Amino acid sequence: DTEVTQTPKHLVMGMTNKKSLKCEQHMGHRAMYWYKQKAKKPPELMFVYSYEKLSINESVPSRFSPECPNSSLLNLHLHALQPEDSALYLCASSQPTRTDTQYFGPGTRLTVL
Amino acid sequence: AQKITQTQPGMFVQEKEAVTLDCTYDTSDPSYGLFWYKQPSSGEMIFLIYQGSYDQQNATEGRYSLNFQKARKSANLVISASQLGDSAMYFCAMRVLRGSTLGRLYFGRGTQLTVWP
Repeated sequence: DTEVTQTPKHLVMGMTNKKSLKCEQHMGHRAMYWYKQKAKKPPELMFVYSYEKLSINESVPSRFSPECPNSSLLNLHLHALQPEDSALYLCASSQPTRTDTQYFGPGTRLTVL
Repeated sequence: AQKITQTQPGMFVQEKEAVTLDCTYDTSDPSYGLFWYKQPSSGEMIFLIYQGSYDQQNATEGRYSLNFQKARKSANLVISASQLGDSAMYFCAMRVLRGSTLGRLYFGRGTQLTVWP
């Protein structure tokens, strides 16, 4: 079972709102990732968690705040976003081995008004 | 530095025909892995196939095969017997396998494949 789930599928928010994206995996993976993808571009890595600890932050603005409550859950808290933050947000997970394959969720399409 | 190049922004193929999507890579690290992902318009990135730099045989998964030419640093994806459902964006990606085991994937720009009846 290579399933990663993400909620919500779509999200529209104003620049003053606070919202959260949720990602869940039940594959026993111990690494989880957040990516941002603009239309017709490749995904851009934002954050990596390994064994529930933040190990990579790709200089993401502080209006994006990740959280990993346990090994199967990953959240992305959003606050005071800008219209240019509108994008597809993808979550992925993998087993942190040398040849780990990242499995992606279906994504959340975020629109910031 | 690691780099993935996909030179075909768009490709067209007739149903039931085979198609090759090009991917070249650049890395000075001898230990790396190459991946292909499919992304339909719905947005989900679907893992298709993996090739390790030390693998002797070219990877195959059903209708997908990876034509790995190490000396030329190319890792082309071959889709046989194309189906209408193969229409999607295809990304080639690479990660080096040294140091941290965390997977930092380097993506190409992608190739939009359209399969016509």
